[in-house]
Amino acid sequence: DIQMTQSPSSLSASVGDRVTISCRASQTIGSYLNWYQQKPGKAPEVLIYAAFNLQSGVPSRFSGSGSGTDFTLTISSLQPEDFATYYCQQNYLTPRTFGQGTKLQIK
Amino acid sequence: EVQVVESGGGLMQPGGSLRLSCAASGFTVSSHYMSWVRQAPGKGLEWVSVIYSGGSTYYADSVKGRFTISRDNSKNTLYLQMNSLRAEDTAVYYCAREEQQLNYFDYWGQGTLVTVSS
Repeated sequence: DIQMTQSPSSLSASVGDRVTISCRASQTIGSYLNWYQQKPGKAPEVLIYAAFNLQSGVPSRFSGSGSGTDFTLTISSLQPEDFATYYCQQNYLTPRTFGQGTKLQIK
Repeated sequence: EVQVVESGGGLMQPGGSLRLSCAASGFTVSSHYMSWVRQAPGKGLEWVSVIYSGGSTYYADSVKGRFTISRDNSKNTLYLQMNSLRAEDTAVYYCAREEQQLNYFDYWGQGTLVTVSS
C-alpha cells in the first residue's frame, strides 16, 4: 500500500498568513494527489484534485503543487473559515490512502 | 443535484452485524466508482472499500473478510454489509463518489455513526 505522510500534523497561524502543508507519498504517484478540507462534524470536501486543479467553487487562495512523491497545499492568505483539518489522498492505486491530516488552528 | 445519503448506523455489540446503505440521487451509482470511507472518533480518514463501475470490489486489510460492499442498481443504492464487528470498527462511515475521469472523491454523504460496544 502507498503510505501518505503529511507535515506538520498541526499548525497555528493567524488570519492573513500564508500557510503551506506538505504531503509525501511512499512511492511515486505522478499527479494522482488530492486535497480535502474537513470542518468539525462535517464530511470532507475536495479543494484540489490531480495535484494542482482547483475544484469549482473553491477560493483561489488555495493552490496545489508537486508531482511524483512530494506535494504541497498552499493557502495564500488565511481567512477565518479556513481553520479546519486538511487531508491529502492518493488515487494512483487501490487502496486509496489518506495522509494523517493537518489541523490548522488559530494562533 | 447530486446527493448521497447514508443510513443504517447504530450501536452494536462486538461480533454483531450491520448493513449500511447509501442512497444516491442525481447520478447513477453503477456509472461511478463508489467508496466507503470511515473516521474513528477524533481520528483521520480511513478508506474502507470500493466497488468499481464494472463491479470489481476491493477492501482495506482491516476489514477484508468481514465487510462486503455491493450495490442495487434498481434502487441506485450502495451498501456495506459489516459482519464480525469489533470495537475498532467504531467510526462515522461516509459514502463517497469518485469523479469518473480523475477519480477524486467529489461527493460525500453526511456520514452515519457506527458504535461497537458491549
